Amino acid sequence: EIVMTQFPATLSVSPGERATLSCRASHSISSDLAWYQQKPGQAPRLLISGASTRATGIPARFSGSGSGTEFTLTISSLQSEDFAVYYCQQFNNWPRTFGQGTKVEIK
Amino acid sequence: QVQLVQSGAEVKKPESSVKVSCKASGGTFKYYGISWVRQAPGQGLEWMGGIIPVYGTANYAQKFQDRVTISADESTSTAYMELRGLRSEDTAVYYCARGTRPTVADFEYWGQGTLVTVSS
Repeated sequence: EIVMTQFPATLSVSPGERATLSCRASHSISSDLAWYQQKPGQAPRLLISGASTRATGIPARFSGSGSGTEFTLTISSLQSEDFAVYYCQQFNNWPRTFGQGTKVEIK
Repeated sequence: QVQLVQSGAEVKKPESSVKVSCKASGGTFKYYGISWVRQAPGQGLEWMGGIIPVYGTANYAQKFQDRVTISADESTSTAYMELRGLRSEDTAVYYCARGTRPTVADFEYWGQGTLVTVSS
């Protein structure tokens, strides 16, 4: 099973600042990585797939990069609606696995 | 527009079973992978398994292999997840989710979630 490790667990950021979230895979997963945003009481929302392709309707301030084992989600200028928990997920190997999440909170 | 609508909340006794449904509308049902993902209170997301309806064979996370059955009915565009031998730690919100590829990969569309509470 591929283990996905996200860091930091919590990221404190001021509105308007940049946020950088990291995700590491225990084995290479090529670019088979997705990022999700989840707000309390809601289902997750797909932000990025294929490591760097924004999903439909996702604002350009969200960008993804990386391949192999190291991946990054960057939010260029945090808006109030961006404070949430973010998960990475690999779809290169079975079983599909998620990271444990990074909470982005208001500083 | 793809929509996934799940069945309602359940309260179950330990050792019993639960079967949650997920009805899809919009788009073609049988060619896209549907997965079940659960989230215990205050915890992260956990992939349980997935199925591509046209093939009918599911893949499962080893943790659930012996207790879960995922199935799909093409005639009603509905996927199902049955979990047996329930224990308190199975208390969670269970989501169905579907992507835009003919496989089980990423998940663009999500159901609203079904809360399953296991309590004696």
